[in-house]
Amino acid sequence: QTVVTQEPSFSVSPGGTVTLTCGLSSGSVSTSSSPSWYQQTPGQAPRTLIYNTNARSSGVPDRFSGSILGNKAALTITGAQADDESDYYCVLYMGRDIWDFGGGTKLTVL
Amino acid sequence: QVQLQQSGPGLVKPSQTLSLTCAISGDSVSSNSATWNWIRQSPSRGLEWLGRTYYRSKWYDDYAVSVQSRITINPDTSKNQFSLQLNSVTPEDTAVYYCARSTSHLDYWGQGTLVTVSS
Repeated sequence: QTVVTQEPSFSVSPGGTVTLTCGLSSGSVSTSSSPSWYQQTPGQAPRTLIYNTNARSSGVPDRFSGSILGNKAALTITGAQADDESDYYCVLYMGRDIWDFGGGTKLTVL
Repeated sequence: QVQLQQSGPGLVKPSQTLSLTCAISGDSVSSNSATWNWIRQSPSRGLEWLGRTYYRSKWYDDYAVSVQSRITINPDTSKNQFSLQLNSVTPEDTAVYYCARSTSHLDYWGQGTLVTVSS
């Protein structure tokens, strides 16, 4: 069974840039996987940041951007702020009307 | 603005049925461009898509393999809502359950309901 992979944790300095990735245990991520990215803080429902690889959801600051880097989807945060400290999840379309979540990346801003 | 409001019990006994409802405002459960999903989250399993219902001239549903023998998702057009039923629950089904709308992605989420399976 193919698993969606993400870095378990990452840290970034305030004002810095960080790229989180989303891959597959077997195979490559492409735009046909329609990657989307969600931000979640404790006790809250996930919030959509990016969909269809690089489309920014309404109200999301432009310091968040999505792309394909090599064989993975990527979420880049440019000019990280303290309130970007959250869990970040990617979702990929796996075919046959199935969507699968990554395990999430815990981002620390310090 | 789409809003999803979840309701249902937070405690279910083992072997019984978990039932949750998601009331929709700002859209229709019969929309031809949306699907209506249930997702759960637990420390051990992370975020897990459970299934969906949607209308494309007729009603369809899809379920995750992990729960497909125990799950039913039903639309209720009279109340503009949809429901989740998960049968024969065990403590492993303890999780926060979310309903969510999907168009090209999961764009609107309910507030989440913590369901604990315990006697």
